[in-house]
Amino acid sequence: AQSVAQPEDQVNVAEGNPLTVKCTYSVSGNPYLFWYVQYPNRGLQFLLKYITGDNLVKGSYGFEAEFNKSQTSFHLKKPSALVSDSALYFCAVRDWGYNQGGKLIFGQGTELSVKP
Amino acid sequence: SAVISQKPSRDICQRGTSLTIQCQVDSQVTMMFWYRQQPGQSLTLIATANQGSEATYESGFVIDKFPISRPNLTFSTLTVSNMSPEDSSIYLCSARDSYNEQFFGPGTRLTVL
Repeated sequence: AQSVAQPEDQVNVAEGNPLTVKCTYSVSGNPYLFWYVQYPNRGLQFLLKYITGDNLVKGSYGFEAEFNKSQTSFHLKKPSALVSDSALYFCAVRDWGYNQGGKLIFGQGTELSVKP
Repeated sequence: SAVISQKPSRDICQRGTSLTIQCQVDSQVTMMFWYRQQPGQSLTLIATANQGSEATYESGFVIDKFPISRPNLTFSTLTVSNMSPEDSSIYLCSARDSYNEQFFGPGTRLTVL
C-alpha cells in the first residue's frame, strides 16, 4: 500500500531563515506527491504537486519541493520563512492501486512555527 | 481551481442525534470525497461520493453510520448518524477536477456532547 511519513511533528524556524519540512514516501510505481497547508480553523490549501518531470517543483507562496527518487523523499522548502507561514503542513500521495480510485493518503502532519 | 463551500461550518449536537453536512462546488468535478480529521490528527478518508450511485466506503466506515448522497456533479451531503462524543471531528469535503488537482472545503467542526 502507498504511504507517506512526516518524521517531525514540529519544526521551529526563525523568520528569514530557510525552512524544510520533511516527507518520505513508499509507493509501488511512479509516485504522485502533494503538499497541502492548513491554517487554524481553515480547510486544506493546495501548495504543489509532483507528477513527473523536473525534480524541483515550485508552488504557491514561495514554497518548493524536491523530489528525490533514490531517497524516496519529497521535502518541502522555502528559502526565507515568514511568520505567516506558521501552520500545519501535510504531505500526501495518490494511491492508484486496484479499486482505490486514486485517493489521497496523508502523512501525520508537521506543525511549522516561525518566530520573529 | 474549484472553490468548495460547506454548511454548517460548525455545530454542537447531542448524543444520539444526526447531522447532515452539505458540500457545494462551484464547478463540475470528476470526483468528490469526504474526510474526517480528529483533533490533532491527520486526515482519514471516509468515502468517495459517486454521482447517482452508492458511495464507496473505506475500511472502518459504513453506510448506516455515514450515509452519503451525490445527486449531481457539484453537490454532496454527508450525514453523521446516531452521534456519540467519539464522532467529534472536523469533516472535510474534497473534490478533484479534470486536471487531477484536489481541493478541500473549509470543514465542518462537529462537537457531540
